[in-house]
Amino acid sequence: AQSVTQLGSHVSVSEGALVLLRCNYSSSVPPYLFWYVQYPNQGLQLLLKYTSAATLVKGINGFEAEFKKSETSFHLTKPSAHMSDAAEYFCAVSGIYQKVTFGTGTKLQVIP
Amino acid sequence: NAGVTQTPKFRVLKTGQSMTLLCAQDMNHEYMYWYRQDPGMGLRLIHYSVGEGTTAKGEVPDGYNVSRLKKQNFLLGLESAAPSQTSVYFCASSIASELNEQFFGPGTRLTVL
Repeated sequence: AQSVTQLGSHVSVSEGALVLLRCNYSSSVPPYLFWYVQYPNQGLQLLLKYTSAATLVKGINGFEAEFKKSETSFHLTKPSAHMSDAAEYFCAVSGIYQKVTFGTGTKLQVIP
Repeated sequence: NAGVTQTPKFRVLKTGQSMTLLCAQDMNHEYMYWYRQDPGMGLRLIHYSVGEGTTAKGEVPDGYNVSRLKKQNFLLGLESAAPSQTSVYFCASSIASELNEQFFGPGTRLTVL
């Protein structure tokens, strides 16, 4: 069995501030982890993916995430928030012979 | 390259009516998925397909049927719509394997009265 928990359904940051979106996972097999972003009225698109090659993963638009096995975490960060980052972010987990399981999402608000 | 397209974009049904949602992808992907998205619940897998002519149940399959007669198309049917099926429906596709990125369509917003 596998699951994903995203802490905080809504996060607000000021423009230029650090963005930190939290994701903890549970998996019975070595996990593959994903962060997707959803802009209003659009489908999801991939931000970044962890596949065991490197624990620090860099994605698009300046986002990155660090895989910490000891903490079963895969938090998403960006050093400086931009207004265009306002969206909903989904963490997801998969693995060999496992379907992808999505978290419930975190809506990011960026305050000017 | 259109990617993943969904038809229609919006639809309003009355309870008991039927409809079919069409998903098409032009990336030659083997895997296709149907999800529903509801507030506070993330995306939940309804049905999926790992290749032409094959389908399988996901997490919430009740009340839905699917068909994959052609590799590029994945149809989702509601035989007798219920208000509980009011949702936003997303289709996605990926290269064969659960370990690969999924490409999503723009969604269909369905309201059942």
